[in-house]
Amino acid sequence: ETGVTQTPRHLVMGMTNKKSLKCEQHLGHNAMYWYKQSAKKPLELMFVYNFKEQTENNSVPSRFSPECPNSSHLFLHLHTLQPEDSALYLCASSQLGLALSANTGELFFGEGSRLTVL
Amino acid sequence: AQSVAQPEDQVNVAEGNPLTVKCTYSVSGNPYLFWYVQYPNRGLQFLLKYITGDNLVKGSYGFEAEFNKSQTSFHLKKPSALVSDSALYFCAVRGYTGTASKLTFGTGTRLQVTL
Repeated sequence: ETGVTQTPRHLVMGMTNKKSLKCEQHLGHNAMYWYKQSAKKPLELMFVYNFKEQTENNSVPSRFSPECPNSSHLFLHLHTLQPEDSALYLCASSQLGLALSANTGELFFGEGSRLTVL
Repeated sequence: AQSVAQPEDQVNVAEGNPLTVKCTYSVSGNPYLFWYVQYPNRGLQFLLKYITGDNLVKGSYGFEAEFNKSQTSFHLKKPSALVSDSALYFCAVRGYTGTASKLTFGTGTRLQVTL
């Protein structure tokens, strides 16, 4: 149990569907992340939320829409995806210190949501 | 921008033998370096980190890593491998986005430990 829970663990959707991935962290952290893990590619950072404010969007297509209503919850809304979007989507959280030096930076990951787009 | 390189896609080792998984990094300033492990169909689990201090860092499951500033390396080691260590291992370096950390990962190295 990592303290970061992702649902659903597996999702199969058609290209015209709308679905959402959910992430909840029980660690009291205040930063949350979405990473994409595709076969034979490095983990790709998609979005970062820092105290509910988005601080990074790594040129992610608009068919992926993140939402962070509070520091404990993070969503990834999916719409008109492509088969190449099939991947493992990993959520993570971390604790920010008052000073950058207090934040040693490790991320705590959920188990991932395996997405298959048909 | 920071980056890490893991030059080996796969490392094979016999149970009981020492193992090394290689990582080199590129970052401006002092590096914060991490190792994570991923078992099949699971998320990434934190193993260990180097922030400052002793160049030999000890982590979970008997793993350790050696920081070498002159060679910009942070190799993962274990004196005696177990079959249960077979997994995908990722090296990562910390950067920032606003005041949040962000980790840049290597491509991963698959460790296969056989009897």
